[in-house]
Amino acid sequence: AQSVSQHNHHVILSEAASLELGCNYSYGGTVNLFWYVQYPGQHLQLLLKYFSGDPLVKGIKGFEAEFIKSKFSFNLRKPSVQWSDTAEYFCAVPNQGGKLIFGQGTELSVKP
Amino acid sequence: GAVVSQHPSWVICKSGTSVKIECRSLDFQATTMFWYRQFPKQSLMLMATSNEGSKATYEQGVEKDKFLINHASLTLSTLTVTSAHPEDSSFYICSARGDTNTEAFFGQGTRLTVV
Repeated sequence: AQSVSQHNHHVILSEAASLELGCNYSYGGTVNLFWYVQYPGQHLQLLLKYFSGDPLVKGIKGFEAEFIKSKFSFNLRKPSVQWSDTAEYFCAVPNQGGKLIFGQGTELSVKP
Repeated sequence: GAVVSQHPSWVICKSGTSVKIECRSLDFQATTMFWYRQFPKQSLMLMATSNEGSKATYEQGVEKDKFLINHASLTLSTLTVTSAHPEDSSFYICSARGDTNTEAFFGQGTRLTVV
């Protein structure tokens, strides 16, 4: 069965620092990949998604992610974080039945 | 993006009573809706998947008689927590999707507290 693993549970950064959050999935076939963000007190929002094509995907708010098939990875990056990026980030992959499976989540705290 | 509305945002109920949570897709037809449960500081755990007009598919360990799901139309799915107990207190989130290969949109969640 498809599974998703996020390496970092809690990341603390200062403003302007660079960010990389790890995400690995298990299924090796055709895969769609998502990163969602949940700001405090708000609902999940889509940051970016990969379906096919260019493995470097650009999302909203300056985020990007790179799909590396050989590593089963879809890491999220941002060159310079802001205090407003403080949130919980979830990587998600649909399983073969189309159900969205989420990683454990990474809590990002950005210090002003 | 598309909008998914969940109602109520929060609810407090007495132990033993039932609570219904609604999930509506406001500007698209949701072929599939998903119900998740999220405990504090944890990820979303998929409870069940519902397709319009058919019975919901429950994940392993989720009691279908306790968590009744109805997906009667392409814009509405409901989750009823029957005979709620304090351990059912949690954050319940729905998401809706049109075609299989499109993204899912999430409701704002419902905070259920059973006292």
